[in-house]
Amino acid sequence: DTGVSQNPRHKITKRGQNVTFRCDPISEHNRLYWYRQTLGQGPEFLTYFQNEAQLEKSRLLSDRFSAERPKGSFSTLEIQRTEQGDSAMYLCASSAWDRDTGELFFGEGSRLTVL
Amino acid sequence: AQSVAQPEDQVNVAEGNPLTVKCTYSVSGNPYLFWYVQYPNRGLQFLLKYITGDNLVKGSYGFEAEFNKSQTSFHLKKPSALVSDSALYFCAVRDIDTDKLIFGTGTRLQVFP
Repeated sequence: DTGVSQNPRHKITKRGQNVTFRCDPISEHNRLYWYRQTLGQGPEFLTYFQNEAQLEKSRLLSDRFSAERPKGSFSTLEIQRTEQGDSAMYLCASSAWDRDTGELFFGEGSRLTVL
Repeated sequence: AQSVAQPEDQVNVAEGNPLTVKCTYSVSGNPYLFWYVQYPNRGLQFLLKYITGDNLVKGSYGFEAEFNKSQTSFHLKKPSALVSDSALYFCAVRDIDTDKLIFGTGTRLQVFP
């Protein structure tokens, strides 16, 4: 499978615990995006990387959230001291950015439930 | 700032009938517009995009979309709906300042046998 891979697919945790999600993009893609989607809503942008550089962070990304892409390949999204409001689907997407194309390829998502 | 609006939370259509899912956009400059589909508990799948060129864009699974500059719309269409088309559909626009995609709130399509 050469698509975007996300792990774990589901995570149930207690409030206050830390969680980490991993995203493996399509291998030749230089851009990687994280989005959050709550039930019945569209995906909301969180952050994105070009290679290993984090180019933008949404104000939705509080200090408890941190994302890394250390070698320009896979990325991790860590949420510290989880709150019930963090419950959502976390979507990763990648692209080989070109001004004439621009579509993102999404993984299956990591669903977080905070009890 | 770039944005898209999907005015219908849900669209119901009988199998075999044509379907339309509406999207309007607000951009400064030339719009880069996209449609994605999401099945339950799955990620988003790319359907089609408008960058430039013909106003009628053809995409995956028999879907097409019509770009209308005067009405600032990018409606998704299919001539004959299938029950398997039932899913959540998202319109998106590319932010020209940051290159990220900005999504609408989604429209749930229900196709009845």
